[in-house]
Parts: sequence; structure tokens; C-alpha cells
Amino acid sequence: ETVLTQSPGTLSLSPGERATLSCRASQSISSSYLAWYQQKPGQAPRLLISGASSRATGIPDRFSGSGSGTDFTLTITRLEPEDFAVYYCQQYGTSMLTFGGGTEVEIK
Amino acid sequence: QLQLQESGPGLVKPSETLSLICTVSGGSISSNSYYWGWIRQPPGKGLQWIGSIYYRGTTYYNPSIKSRVTISVDTSKNQFSLNLNSVTAADTAVYYCARQDGWLGSGDYWGQGTLVTVSS
Repeated sequence: ETVLTQSPGTLSLSPGERATLSCRASQSISSSYLAWYQQKPGQAPRLLISGASSRATGIPDRFSGSGSGTDFTLTITRLEPEDFAVYYCQQYGTSMLTFGGGTEVEIK
Repeated sequence: QLQLQESGPGLVKPSETLSLICTVSGGSISSNSYYWGWIRQPPGKGLQWIGSIYYRGTTYYNPSIKSRVTISVDTSKNQFSLNLNSVTAADTAVYYCARQDGWLGSGDYWGQGTLVTVSS
């Protein structure tokens, strides 16, 4: 099983600031099969990024993903009020899918 | 626009079987491009993948609960379903169904989720 560790657990920022979220895997993720999701209270997760760096349909370009192997990053260049939420990474490179524990981006 | 909708009992007694159906509309479940998955989220906690199915019936399950899970598909109804037996309070969660892009891929469309509580 590939364990994903997200850091920090909570990120306190102001609108307009830059957010950098980390996801570290316990073993290398093949072909960068790493996704990022956003989840707001009472809602289903929404796919932001797949393949480590490809934005999903309709996702603003202030969201970007990078990384390979075991270290991945989600960057939000300028936080909008609607971006305050919980973010999860997920690996899907094996037949056992796993999620990270999540990073909450909260308003400072 | 593809939509997924979970349905089933919101309350299940301990030791009984949790059964949910995911109905897919706006697209066919019989596409060779997608898998269809179940994911759950206990209250206040993170996401856990339960398992996934291909329209031809190929299944993959999370080893941690594999002994209690069955996922099946009914292409005539454009539905897939989840059965989880011998439930305990630890199975209380919001259950989501999702379309997965490719072989066990990322979830690009999700249902709204349904809360299932295990309690006597």
C-alpha cells in the first residue's frame, strides 16, 4: 500500500496569498498517477488535477500541480475566497488506491 | 452532463448488510474508458477507497475491507451497487460513488454522497 502524507495539516492564509500544499508518497508513484481534489463542507470532492499536473476541465489556472516520484505539490497562486477548503491528494498508479489525510486551507 | 446519484437506506443495524446503488445518467456505464468506484468518508475524517468495477464486471477492492465487500454492475439499468456485510459503527460514513477516468483512474465525476449510519 502506498501511504500518502500531506503537509501541513492546516494552512492559514489570507485571500490573495499563495498556497503551497505538499503530498509525499511512501513509494514512487508510477507515471505520476497522482490527483488532487478540493472538498468543501457538505460537498463531494472535486477533481482539480490528474496526472500530477493536468488541470481538470473548468479548473482555473491559478491551480497548478507539480512533482514526480514521491514528492508532489499543489500550488494556488492567488487565493480566492472560494478556495478555502480541504485538499486531498490521491494516488491511482496501483490496484490499491489511497488518499492523503488532507490539508485544510483556512482563512487567516 | 454526466450525473451520479447514490441511493439506499440511511440507517443500518450492526451486523447487517449495507446496500447502496449508484445510478448513472447522462452517459453510459458501458464505456470501455472508465471504471466506477465507491469511496467513503467517516464524519470529520478523510477519504477511503472501497473498490471499483468495470462494466464487464472486473472488480478491485481495498484489501482492508475486501472480505466484506461486493460491488456489482447492472448495465441494463446503468447502475452499479455496493454491498458491505457485517457492518459496525466504524462503517458509519458518507458513501460516494464516482466515475474513474481510465483503469482505476482519478474520479472526475462524483455523486453527492449519502450518509449511512450504523446503529441499533
